[in-house]
Amino acid sequence: AQSVTQPDIHITVSEGASLELRCNYSYGATPYLFWYVQSPGQGLQLLLKYFSGDTLVQGIKGFEAEFKRSQSSFNLRKPSVHWSDAAEYFCAVDTEYGNKLVFGAGTILRVKS
Amino acid sequence: DTEVTQTPKHLVMGMTNKKSLKCEQHMGHRAMYWYKQKAKKPPELMFVYSYEKLSINESVPSRFSPECPNSSLLNLHLHALQPEDSALYLCASSPKVGTAYEQYFGPGTRLTVT
Repeated sequence: AQSVTQPDIHITVSEGASLELRCNYSYGATPYLFWYVQSPGQGLQLLLKYFSGDTLVQGIKGFEAEFKRSQSSFNLRKPSVHWSDAAEYFCAVDTEYGNKLVFGAGTILRVKS
Repeated sequence: DTEVTQTPKHLVMGMTNKKSLKCEQHMGHRAMYWYKQKAKKPPELMFVYSYEKLSINESVPSRFSPECPNSSLLNLHLHALQPEDSALYLCASSPKVGTAYEQYFGPGTRLTVT
């Protein structure tokens, strides 16, 4: 069965600094990978997704992620963090059979001014 | 319109009550989902509907009863819940089931069972 590991429970960065959130997946075949963001008490918003093709994908709000098959990773990056980026970030994997998303445990991002 | 709406936003119910959660989308999606999210945990899939038929039940207790009356509407009927069922219940939709379509999530219903 597929699984997702987000090694960092909390990350604190200064406003304007760069950000990288780590995600490792376990799945034998081609994974479909997603990053979602959740503000407190809210639903999930899709930041970006990887299905195939270019391994560097661009998303909303200035986020990007790079798929590295050799490392089974799909790390999320942003060059300059804004205070409004403080939220919880979930990496998720879906299989080729479709639409049974499995989420990582999440990483809580704190932004200090 | 890329919105999934959920009502109510908050719900408090006793263990003997019967209540329902409602989810609606008008994007023409034919797959709809219920997730349960406990505090400080990721969402966990409960049910998947495809073309108004239940396609996945993740071994959810029978006190949770889903219903999909039409392609735009998804309900979750609740009866005889336990305090440990208190959680954020998220609804999502996607164009279809199969071959990785992105899911759009609603804001959730915060359920408290007393």
